[in-house]
Amino acid sequence: SQTIHQWPATLVQPVGSPLSLECTVEGTSNPNLYWYRQAAGRGLQLLFYSVGIGQISSEVPQNLSASRPQDRQFILSSKKLLLSDSGFYLCAWSVGDYGYTFGSGTRLTVV
Amino acid sequence: QKEVEQNSGPLSVPEGAIASLNCTYSDRGSQSFFWYRQYSGKSPELIMSIYSNGDKEDGRFTAQLNKASQYVSLLIRDSQPSDSATYLCAADTGGFKTIFGAGTRLFVKA
Repeated sequence: SQTIHQWPATLVQPVGSPLSLECTVEGTSNPNLYWYRQAAGRGLQLLFYSVGIGQISSEVPQNLSASRPQDRQFILSSKKLLLSDSGFYLCAWSVGDYGYTFGSGTRLTVV
Repeated sequence: QKEVEQNSGPLSVPEGAIASLNCTYSDRGSQSFFWYRQYSGKSPELIMSIYSNGDKEDGRFTAQLNKASQYVSLLIRDSQPSDSATYLCAADTGGFKTIFGAGTRLFVKA
């Protein structure tokens, strides 16, 4: 069966510090991978998506970046965090048009 | 800008009643629609998908789609306290992009 792992679960980082969040998928090949952010009480905002290794599409200009070094690995990074980067970060995968499976999420607080 | 609109709620229903959740979408080109359930502090979980006009039933859940009116709904029969969550409506607009509504909070009173 397919599973998605996302870590860490919670993170408290100071303003200006770097960020690296990792997501891995098991049990499927060539998935579409996504990074979403959910601010408190808000909807999901698509940040990045990837349809293959090294292929990254950015939806929102910001100080975040994403990489896909392996087929089932998706990484979200920042060189310098801002207060506005706080939120609930969700990795998701899909194959075909059957909806998303989300990871358990990372709750990031920038202080 | 492509949008999915939902009433934020909260929607409060007594245990055993039918909960009716609604959403509208702006992109007429959207072909696939989804409902996700999100418990507080947790990630969303896919509960229903619907692709054609009409009703689709799965257990206590029924999704309804009306593409002419750009309207999607979710009915939960025999609501249980464990159904209390935020329900997100989503529309696949193509090009690997799915737009999510902000969600409707549902409270089921025991």
